Amino acid sequence: DQQVKQNSPSLSVQEGRISILNCDYTNSMFDYFLWYKKYPAEGPTFLISISSIKDKNEDGRFTVFLNKSAKHLSLHIVPSQPGDSAVYFCAASEQGTYKYIFGTGTRLKVLA
Amino acid sequence: DTEVTQTPKHLVMGMTNKKSLKCEQHMGHRAMYWYKQKAKKPPELMFVYSYEKLSINESVPSRFSPECPNSSLLNLHLHALQPEDSALYLCASSQADRVANEQFFGPGTRLTVL
Repeated sequence: DQQVKQNSPSLSVQEGRISILNCDYTNSMFDYFLWYKKYPAEGPTFLISISSIKDKNEDGRFTVFLNKSAKHLSLHIVPSQPGDSAVYFCAASEQGTYKYIFGTGTRLKVLA
Repeated sequence: DTEVTQTPKHLVMGMTNKKSLKCEQHMGHRAMYWYKQKAKKPPELMFVYSYEKLSINESVPSRFSPECPNSSLLNLHLHALQPEDSALYLCASSQADRVANEQFFGPGTRLTVL
């Protein structure tokens, strides 16, 4: 039972345009969400997080939106750059636990 | 120093071997994690240590034995593994005073069991 899903396995975007990566979850007890970027042969790198008390968090080119009623979050990257090409994972955790559940990942390709 | 280091980078072992994976961080983090990642799959949590005590074991087979000798080190001892245990093993660390914290990951150890 996959509690965190990323329904798009891959996404291609032109350089300079917006990339939107989506993530859905089923567990209403999740209250903290993170996005990670992963290059081949490297560990995931933390990008941005959001707590369930917020609906938006920005950090430079990265913005995460949370829609609790829809159990949906999205990561916006604007403008997209070729160096953003990687696999992106969303992850969720339940309050009071150290347990993070990762989504299935979306491979982003930014075309120059 | 915001780095998590893992050794070795690659490991090939037979099913009767005993080996260990090592992880180290010097960020003062008191929560450390082992994940397993198979190809084209997300990382799956195996173990969590908080303040050097095992706090989560995700029903991992006993052929995997974690150890946290001090606040900077995390080991994963391997014995009698199966070929299906071949995967990328990732170590991570985070602050432990608030459970909602970003994790810093190491580069992983690519394990092949023959």
